[in-house]
Amino acid sequence: GAGVSQSPRYKVAKRGQDVALRCDPISGHVSLFWYQQALGQGPEFLTYFQNEAQLDKSGLPSDRFFAERPEGSVSTLKIQRTQQEDSAVYLCASSLLGGQGGGQPQHFGDGTRLSIL
Amino acid sequence: SQQGEEDPQALSIQEGENATMNCSYKTSINNLQWYRQNSGRGLVHLILIRSNEREKHSGRLRVTLDTSKKSSSLLITASRAADTASYFCATDGGSNYKLTFGKGTLLTVNP
Repeated sequence: GAGVSQSPRYKVAKRGQDVALRCDPISGHVSLFWYQQALGQGPEFLTYFQNEAQLDKSGLPSDRFFAERPEGSVSTLKIQRTQQEDSAVYLCASSLLGGQGGGQPQHFGDGTRLSIL
Repeated sequence: SQQGEEDPQALSIQEGENATMNCSYKTSINNLQWYRQNSGRGLVHLILIRSNEREKHSGRLRVTLDTSKKSSSLLITASRAADTASYFCATDGGSNYKLTFGKGTLLTVNP
């Protein structure tokens, strides 16, 4: 069956450029998450959507980071005016129920490796 | 910031041996989860244990949870080379959705 799909798998950009990372969650999954993973570290929470509503964006590092999920399925993470410190793997995950569904597994994509030169 | 801390940071064993990884966390939780990550891939969910559970099994995996010590352990029995990966614990800090991951344990199983 189809899992979480992320594109592109690799992205190289020059400092100052804008980038857009796409996530296709598992069909029918209500919750969608974005994480940032630095080399040798665990993922760090960026933002959470329940359907099209962004309920938590407390992990976004700055106002250069913006995420959307306009129709409650595909999501895009946009980073404006990229900086070298934005270099990381960006992971998307989805889960079947909304937050009120209690603890549930999150299903991860393989991530987008972003390198800022 | 990362709430959980796995111990050890790296573990190397022979195929067939058991591997034990520990996780400590700081705040109260509803649930604790363990994930596996192969190099260059996303995380794969292994097991979820709720705060009112003390032990859970799934195949060759055994997870324990001690909320009084704010710690959990993951035991992999009869390890295989395919178990080579990084293992992360993740806690929800009471939110029911927002996971906080540790830095992970890199497990190497030598054939």
